[in-house]
Amino acid sequence: NAGVIQTPRHKVTGKGQEATLWCEPISGHSAVFWYRQTIVQGLEFLTYFRNQAPIDDSGMPKERFSAQMPNQSHSTLKIQSTQPQDSAVYLCASSLGSTGQLYFGEGSKLTVL
Amino acid sequence: AQSVTQPDARVTVSEGASLQLRCKYSYSGTPYLFWYVQYPRQGLQLLLKYYSGDPVVQGVNGFEAEFIKSNSSFHLRKASVHWSDSAVYFCAVSANYGNEKITFGAGTKLTIKP
Repeated sequence: NAGVIQTPRHKVTGKGQEATLWCEPISGHSAVFWYRQTIVQGLEFLTYFRNQAPIDDSGMPKERFSAQMPNQSHSTLKIQSTQPQDSAVYLCASSLGSTGQLYFGEGSKLTVL
Repeated sequence: AQSVTQPDARVTVSEGASLQLRCKYSYSGTPYLFWYVQYPRQGLQLLLKYYSGDPVVQGVNGFEAEFIKSNSSFHLRKASVHWSDSAVYFCAVSANYGNEKITFGAGTKLTIKP
């Protein structure tokens, strides 16, 4: 079991550019979660999918952030027109569903210059 | 809405001493409660979880936590810490049905003194 895989591990973008982050959940897990981690804000929930359907996106900044899960083997988080305040570690996690236990990837560190 | 408060941003303990990391949650129903640990340059890992039943739950590496409903608390304890326990510890809460969103506290950075 390879665990949750996130790519890229590090990404540097210029202000105004687009960034796409990828997540491959553990095979057989039905739920995928996205979190953002910063020193100041800590771990912020962004969105999650169950069986590929979006369930709760209450943490997503509406204007520039979007997430998709086109199939059960991967999810993407896209940030358009990136801003310096988007700099953070973006964490993806998957779970078997109602167990509540999350398995986290190592994160994608986004730096916006 | 659910929330978690970890009042201590940093805790320093001598190796071999006992440990308690504090956590208080806010949730109107019966919660699922978790402690996760993040070692340097690693992802978060589950330490222990409480769903129901015995309010004292055991986790990995000698950690345990006690759910006290009357106090809305879920403090983490360890009888004797080791230098390898140095990490950031996160308390978390979720609903026990329906929305699976897990809300994390701000974390407590634990430093073990030799």
